[in-house]
Amino acid sequence: EDQVTQSPEALRLQEGESSSLNCSYTVSGLRGLFWYRQDPGKGPEFLFTLYSAGEEKEKERLKATLTKKESFLHITAPKPEDSATYLCAVQAPTSGTYKYIFGTGTRLKVLA
Amino acid sequence: GAGVSQSPRYKVAKRGQDVALRCDPISGHVSLFWYQQALGQGPEFLTYFQNEAQLDKSGLPSDRFFAERPEGSVSTLKIQRTQQEDSAVYLCASSLQLRLAGDEQFFGPGTRLTVL
Repeated sequence: EDQVTQSPEALRLQEGESSSLNCSYTVSGLRGLFWYRQDPGKGPEFLFTLYSAGEEKEKERLKATLTKKESFLHITAPKPEDSATYLCAVQAPTSGTYKYIFGTGTRLKVLA
Repeated sequence: GAGVSQSPRYKVAKRGQDVALRCDPISGHVSLFWYQQALGQGPEFLTYFQNEAQLDKSGLPSDRFFAERPEGSVSTLKIQRTQQEDSAVYLCASSLQLRLAGDEQFFGPGTRLTVL
């Protein structure tokens, strides 16, 4: 069964304290892995797409990496405004089409 | 439009009442998705449209849930005889073309449904 697991469920960091969020997946025929940021009361906001193992993408303090079994979202010197829930999703084939499977997210709190 | 819009943003329904949730996708986006998001959880897939065709409705939890996109743009998710377990945020997302690998989805703000 296709599955996406994110860890940790919640993370508290001091401002400037770098860390990584993990997204482990088991899917047949990965078409893409996505990272989203979700603020309370809002819909997920797209951050990155990764297609193949070894690929990396960067945006400001965020860097996403991909292996054959997992993806990491590295946060360098985070600021309080980085506090949000970070969601990982995979695009996988199903019954002649494709679907997106989301993890449960990591709730990040960055303290000033 | 500039992004995906959803209405209403909040809906309170009495148990047994029917509700209709609307989604306006980004203009030109072929694919449209509905998700259900419970508190503290990730979005759970409900259904998917390619233009006006509903290609996958495997995530709809019961026959009380019905979705349509008659002209290939605006979509409506209807829930009949609402139950308390239907309380959740309902998210709509659109993408340019699902068949492209890595085609990212753009989400609306969601409709928070509370069933009393």
